[in-house]
Formats: sequence, C-alpha cells, structure tokens
Amino acid sequence: DQQVKQNSPSLSVQEGRISILNCDYTNSMFDYFLWYKKYPAEGPTFLISISSIKDKNEDGRFTVFLNKSAKHLSLHIVPSQPGDSAVYFCAASANSGGSNYKLTFGKGTLLTVNP
Amino acid sequence: DAGVTQSPTHLIKTRGQHVTLRCSPISGHKSVSWYQQVLGQGPQFIFQYYEKEERGRGNFPDRFSARQFPNYSSELNVNALLLGDSALYLCASSLRVNYGYTFGSGTRLTVV
Repeated sequence: DQQVKQNSPSLSVQEGRISILNCDYTNSMFDYFLWYKKYPAEGPTFLISISSIKDKNEDGRFTVFLNKSAKHLSLHIVPSQPGDSAVYFCAASANSGGSNYKLTFGKGTLLTVNP
Repeated sequence: DAGVTQSPTHLIKTRGQHVTLRCSPISGHKSVSWYQQVLGQGPQFIFQYYEKEERGRGNFPDRFSARQFPNYSSELNVNALLLGDSALYLCASSLRVNYGYTFGSGTRLTVV
C-alpha cells in the first residue's frame, strides 16, 4: 500500500512560470512532511518541510501548502528556473507516533523547466 | 565540511553473492538510516541506527542486515543477492532520530 502518492510522474513548465507539484497521503499519523529534490547520480537534497500544525511554509521561491482535511500537500516554485529541473520527492513521517524514525517517500515527479 | 560519504559508488555482483555497503555520516551526526531506491520508485526505508542501536527496520527480508560502529559509521550487508536487489542504496545521517536527514550520493548496486 502506498501511503504517500505523487500521481504526476512528470511536469513541464516554462522558465519564469509557476511549478506546482502535488502529493497525497493516506496515513493520518503523518505529522511532518518534507520535499526533496534529486538530480541524477546524486542523493536527495532537502528542500523544505512543514509540520502538521501549519498550513503553509515559505522559503524563498519555494512554498509548501498543507491541507490536512484533504490529506494533500503541494510545493509551489515561483519563478521556475531551468536549474530546478530534477525529480521531486514528497516524504512524510509520524513524529508523534511510534515510527518517527523513518521517512515514507512518494514515487517522485520529474520537473522539467524549459528556457 | 564533508557530507555523507558512501562507498563504493558502483558495484556489480552475481546472484547469490554477498555485498557490504559503507556509510560515513556527517561529523557529529549519531543517526544513520539506509534506504533502497529501485528505478522509478521513491526511496524505501530499510534500517535506522542511533547511538549504535537499531531504532527501526523496514519491510525487508532477513538477508538485509546492518550495524553502526563506535565512530557512527555504518555498514549495510545483503546476503544471497537476488536480481531484484539491484537498486540505488542511500544512506542518510542526522543529529537525532527524526530531524534533518542529509543523504549521501548512494551506491548503485547491479546484480547480474
């Protein structure tokens, strides 16, 4: 069973426009969410996170929105740059529960930003 | 500062063989986690060690084992390799169990 779902395998946007990457989760115990970016031949790099007590967290061009009732989060990148082209993974953990030691990842979304 | 270091970067093994993958965490990090990433999938949790003790284990067979040394480096061992074990194995370190994971570049294991 996939507890973290990224239903769009790929997304293509023009440079300067907004990129919106979506993520859904099913486990109501998840209370901490992260986005990682991964380039080929590199490990995932932490981008931004959000706790379930918040509904928005912003860091420069990156904003994550959390809708707990819908069990949905999204990552907004504005403006998108060609260097943002990478695979983006949504991940979740249950920090208040017994399994706070692990991250559960989605399958990832390949973002391509065209010049 | 050195990041998370994994060795080797690439490895080719034959079915039935044994493999040992190594990870050196960021200096000061006491927690090491191992993840397996199969092509087209997200990383999947295998183990976490904190202060040399196993804190969690994912849904992997007993062929997979790991340990953490006094200097907080870690080894992942896989016995009786199967073709399906071919994957990118990622190590992540953090100061504490559930905070600030930093990933290494991984070891690409190919089983033939």
